[in-house]
Amino acid sequence: ETGVTQSPTHLIKTRGQQVTLRCSSQSGHNTVSWYQQALGQGPQFIFQYYREEENGRGNFPPRFSGLQFPNYSSELNVNALELDDSALYLCASSAGQGALNYGYTFGSGTRLTVV
Amino acid sequence: QKEVEQNSGPLSVPEGAIASLNCTYSDRGSQSFFWYRQYSGKSPELIMSIYSNGDKEDGRFTAQLNKASQYVSLLIRDSQPSDSATYLCAGAFSGGYNKLIFGAGTRLAVHP
Repeated sequence: ETGVTQSPTHLIKTRGQQVTLRCSSQSGHNTVSWYQQALGQGPQFIFQYYREEENGRGNFPPRFSGLQFPNYSSELNVNALELDDSALYLCASSAGQGALNYGYTFGSGTRLTVV
Repeated sequence: QKEVEQNSGPLSVPEGAIASLNCTYSDRGSQSFFWYRQYSGKSPELIMSIYSNGDKEDGRFTAQLNKASQYVSLLIRDSQPSDSATYLCAGAFSGGYNKLIFGAGTRLAVHP
């Protein structure tokens, strides 16, 4: 039981469509980070939300966007899906600066396949 | 460009042997490092963290950090077939926000 839950677990979308992935943070955690893990690669940082504001972003285009809600749950939205967006999408929550000291606990991930 | 590098493997070791996994990083400002284990089709699981130079032991796992050489390693003693997985090295970087930068992972195969 990681305390971080993601939905859905698997998703198949068609190129050009839009997708929304969801993440519920571990209790007490106010920071949510999203990562993309392509097959055979390490997770790549997409962005981070702290208290409902995006406060850091990796090298991903604007069609990757997110939201964080008052209860600290989060959504990742991807518009105009491309085949290369096929990956495992991971959500991690942390308490403020906690990531530096304790690392992240990831959710079980959402496997997105774009066809 | 902050980078974390790992040998992709596969690293094959016999059951009961010591598996040695290595990682180098480019940013001397990195404050802490983490090892994750990832089974096929699953999400990464945090197994070790290390912040100071030297060794840190937890059961069969020992993490080693050498900041001067920008080198992190993970030793797995008495390797078991259940240890067969991909091991991801990650460095934590701060600068207004915190994020982990991951290596591509090393695949470990422990054979009976």
